[in-house]
Amino acid sequence: EAQVTQNPRYLITVTGKKLTVTCSQNMNHEYMSWYRQDPGLGLRQIYYSMNVEVTDKGDVPEGYKVSRKEKRNFPLILESPSPNQTSLYFCASSLALRGYEQYFGPGTRLTVT
Amino acid sequence: KQEVTQIPAALSVPEGENLVLNCSFTDSAIYNLQWFRQDPGKGLTSLLLIQSSQREQTSGRLNASLDKSSGRSTLYIAASQPGDSATYLCAARKSGGSNYKLTFGKGTLLTVNP
Repeated sequence: EAQVTQNPRYLITVTGKKLTVTCSQNMNHEYMSWYRQDPGLGLRQIYYSMNVEVTDKGDVPEGYKVSRKEKRNFPLILESPSPNQTSLYFCASSLALRGYEQYFGPGTRLTVT
Repeated sequence: KQEVTQIPAALSVPEGENLVLNCSFTDSAIYNLQWFRQDPGKGLTSLLLIQSSQREQTSGRLNASLDKSSGRSTLYIAASQPGDSATYLCAARKSGGSNYKLTFGKGTLLTVNP
């Protein structure tokens, strides 16, 4: 089944403890991105990647890192999480940058205390 | 900077009604517009994708239209059902630049009452 998977789905952590949220797609998509969703603010793009080893900042990249070493995986790294990073995170992918539907993962609900 | 607005923020209708959800965008230089459905606590499910050269797309009881010149898109749902209850999001993909970024509206929360 074609899908975008994320792990973990739920995570509660403490300020400053490094964490990684994994994202994987099995559709051979070139374009992948991370979003966060917050009440009243909607979905905002954190980082995106147009292909392996090609990543760039979205609208709200502060406090996050990403890497794209393989086409199928696009992990989101929070090196020193803070409470303002408590949010619902979504990974998404599409076949290419333009003209194609974007598919979303199921989301990761992160709470930083 | 692209801004996407969805009105109304919430809508409650009785089962069986036809309804229209609205999406407006400020920058008409878009590559395409996509409608999504989001169930509580869940991810986004793509419903319809309209390319900038198209006027509408249909899937089952759903019909989405696009008017680039006026910066508007609508999602028409025919014969609504309680299972249609969800938040509906529209997203405009920017044309040009290096990102072709998707800009999302904040969504319309639809409740279909049995």
